[in-house]
Amino acid sequence: QQPVQSPQAVILREGEDAVINCSSSKALYSVHWYRQKHGEAPVFLMILLKGGEQKGHEKISASFNEKKQQSSLYLTASQLSYSGTYFCGTESLGGTYKYIFGTGTRLKVLA
Amino acid sequence: DVKVTQSSRYLVKRTGEKVFLECVQDMDHENMFWYRQDPGLGLRLIYFSYDVKMKEKGDIPEGYSVSREKKERFSLILESASTNQTSMYLCASSLWDRGEEKLFFGSGTQLSVL
Repeated sequence: QQPVQSPQAVILREGEDAVINCSSSKALYSVHWYRQKHGEAPVFLMILLKGGEQKGHEKISASFNEKKQQSSLYLTASQLSYSGTYFCGTESLGGTYKYIFGTGTRLKVLA
Repeated sequence: DVKVTQSSRYLVKRTGEKVFLECVQDMDHENMFWYRQDPGLGLRLIYFSYDVKMKEKGDIPEGYSVSREKKERFSLILESASTNQTSMYLCASSLWDRGEEKLFFGSGTQLSVL
């Protein structure tokens, strides 16, 4: 089942923060985050495997809740280069290699 | 750098034609995937493969088949193309790196079925 992402779209000014959420109705094995710039391939940002895990990558970080059903991506002090569509990809318990993606969140950072 | 190459960036086909979309990866990855991307629907999994000659259905396999005769190549086949298969098709392969699996995507094939 496709995870639910929110919000669908967000517009920010440079320097502002944003949070993108990804929710599943069932506990997950892992959650991935990807960013896709217009006309380009999605690019891996990070993976979370453990309940309660938090992970950072420069000013972009993510968390995975204890029940492993929800993940959030945090974009701090956003830059123009953060613009794009963000997808969460989820893998069900058991590690099936079957990665199901959410519908995406379009993020636009304005100068 | 990992490279996932899709044979065509743009493709135009007629309804009823048999269509082959080719994907090649150069890093000896075990797992390969085909997704289609449509506005508002995100990335939807069509088929994936975790080994040569092995394939598993994703969420939307109807109207598609796949072939994986060699580890590096994963082909998506539309047996009889229909207009509702007009979409962006993305191929991916995955790498295990220090206990984590990452997907690497190709640049996509924009298929138009007329």
